[in-house]
Amino acid sequence: DVKVTQSSRYLVKRTGEKVFLECVQDMDHENMFWYRQDPGLGLRLIYFSYDVKMKEKGDIPEGYSVSREKKERFSLILESASTNQTSMYLCASSLLQGDFNEQFFGPGTRLTVL
Amino acid sequence: GESVGLHLPTLSVQEGDNSIINCAYSNSASDYFIWYKQESGKGPQFIIDIRSNMDKRQGQRVTVLLNKTVKHLSLQIAATQPGDSAVYFCAENMGGSNYKLTFGKGTLLTVNP
Repeated sequence: DVKVTQSSRYLVKRTGEKVFLECVQDMDHENMFWYRQDPGLGLRLIYFSYDVKMKEKGDIPEGYSVSREKKERFSLILESASTNQTSMYLCASSLLQGDFNEQFFGPGTRLTVL
Repeated sequence: GESVGLHLPTLSVQEGDNSIINCAYSNSASDYFIWYKQESGKGPQFIIDIRSNMDKRQGQRVTVLLNKTVKHLSLQIAATQPGDSAVYFCAENMGGSNYKLTFGKGTLLTVNP
């Protein structure tokens, strides 16, 4: 089974802190994604990566950056956390099999910025 | 706005009844659709998918119907059980080299014993 793990389930940080969220997948997937999930807004794509050291902005990249140094690991970075970044963060990965783009999700990290 | 949306934000059913969750999409170029289930405190979990060249696909207790004429997708759950209580999302993808999924906001299904 595909397994996507995230470094923390719950995280509490202070405004201005630098925050790292880590995601690891064990199925050799090329594509990895970071989303945030907020009530009433659904899942919104922050960044995605289709290969090592490659990244593309999603729909809401402002205030975030990412790092993909190894194929299995995709990190989301909040350079200076703000209260409006309090959210559930979900990582996903996918293997492009022809036209099928099913994404497998991690359990999520609930981040609170005080 | 969202290219994928849901008609009802909440659905409450009795255990044993059939459930139908609906989704509308606006991008006629979308080629692939997925339904996800998200239980409280967990990440979304794949349920079933369908390609645009199909109008129906069945899984275990679940059926997805695709009506391309009206850009409508539905998920039918047979004999709904308490363990089916969750938020259900539809997602669309344009296929090919486009990796991105566009998600609907979700429907909360509550199953009453």
